[in-house]
Amino acid sequence: GAGVSQSPSNKVTEKGKDVELRCDPISGHTALYWYRQSLGQGLEFLIYFQGNSAPDKSGLPSDRFSAERTGGSVSTLTIQRTQQEDSAVYLCASSPQGSNQPQHFGDGTRLSIL
Amino acid sequence: DQQVKQNSPSLSVQEGRISILNCDYTNSMFDYFLWYKKYPAEGPTFLISISSIKDKNEDGRFTVFLNKSAKHLSLHIVPSQPGDSAVYFCAAKSKYGNKLVFGAGTILRVKS
Repeated sequence: GAGVSQSPSNKVTEKGKDVELRCDPISGHTALYWYRQSLGQGLEFLIYFQGNSAPDKSGLPSDRFSAERTGGSVSTLTIQRTQQEDSAVYLCASSPQGSNQPQHFGDGTRLSIL
Repeated sequence: DQQVKQNSPSLSVQEGRISILNCDYTNSMFDYFLWYKKYPAEGPTFLISISSIKDKNEDGRFTVFLNKSAKHLSLHIVPSQPGDSAVYFCAAKSKYGNKLVFGAGTILRVKS
């Protein structure tokens, strides 16, 4: 079946602009995660959605970052007033309901801030 | 403070031999561990996982070993194939949360 789909695959924008990144999780997966990978680093957790529960936003680096998940499916990560340090690959993952389920990742959005 | 550490940035192995990738962790609340493989410009692909109630899990050429007392896990790939050349990430999940904490990755090169 279809995997996690992310768009756009690449985004180049000027410092100070807002960007929106989209994630379509695997059908039937109730949990959705956003991570980012900066150059030469491991993956860093940003935010987690599970069903109708309040999201875990503990990884968001600043209040310029926000995310929503509409209808329990598609999610959008928004970065306002982008800064050069926001340049990274933003990865979305989803997993089935239940503890200790592997997360399955999309191919990411490579964000470059000029 | 890095809770998950992969101390070898890279590893080179001859085709057909065993590849052993290592990972250490510091948080005793971690109860689920995973290995992912990543090719350039692609997202990480799930390989194999292990729960803290086990000390070994095997899937084809891939075996993960967990030593809880040493807070150490390893991924064995045997026999190694050139297509296994990629970056391998170790990840861990706490029993109290759902996010994954990742190591920095190890680049594996399998030479033919």
